[in-house]
Amino acid sequence: AQSVTQLDSQVPVFEEAPVELRCNYSSSVSVYLFWYVQYPNQGLQLLLKYLSGSTLVKGINGFEAEFNKSQTSFHLRKPSVHISDTAEYFCAVSAETPTDKLIFGTGTRLQVFP
Amino acid sequence: GAVVSQHPSWVICKSGTSVKIECRSLDFQATTMFWYRQFPKQSLMLMATSNEGSKATYEQGVEKDKFLINHASLTLSTLTVTSAHPEDSSFYICSAGDPRASKAFFGQGTRLTVV
Repeated sequence: AQSVTQLDSQVPVFEEAPVELRCNYSSSVSVYLFWYVQYPNQGLQLLLKYLSGSTLVKGINGFEAEFNKSQTSFHLRKPSVHISDTAEYFCAVSAETPTDKLIFGTGTRLQVFP
Repeated sequence: GAVVSQHPSWVICKSGTSVKIECRSLDFQATTMFWYRQFPKQSLMLMATSNEGSKATYEQGVEKDKFLINHASLTLSTLTVTSAHPEDSSFYICSAGDPRASKAFFGQGTRLTVV
């Protein structure tokens, strides 16, 4: 079975500062990893995904993540955040195929202050 | 634009009534769709897998007689919350995977409030 752990429930940060949102996963098989962003009362928008190949994945809105198999991590980073990045961020894993059901972490609330 | 459309975006219903939520894939066919539930300030929990032309697969602890799922076509899955109670109030989100894009797309979600 797969599981996802997001270590930080909330991350406060000032505008233009860098940020890292942590995600660790556990799985006995190869996995596909995703980061989603959710704005209040809205669905989820895919930020980026890791399927295979290069371990550094670049996504939308200036976000990137690095897949580290030895540490079973997939941390999300952004070098300079904006107020508009304030949202809930979810790390997710799928074991079967990239389009299969997802197991989500508990989410990290990113709060960007001016 | 949205490739998975969910309707309605919000609904208020009386306790004991039933509510139907629709999930449509707009520009691709989806033999499988997924229904998730999200409580306030919590993560998404998979409720069931909707399979076109066959019975849905429910996750452990989800009442199949209460949450009826129908996937009658390759572009539409419906979730009906029967005899709704206030504890069913939640945010329900559907998703469908597009193999061409190697990813799943999510609907906008439905905020259900049972009073």
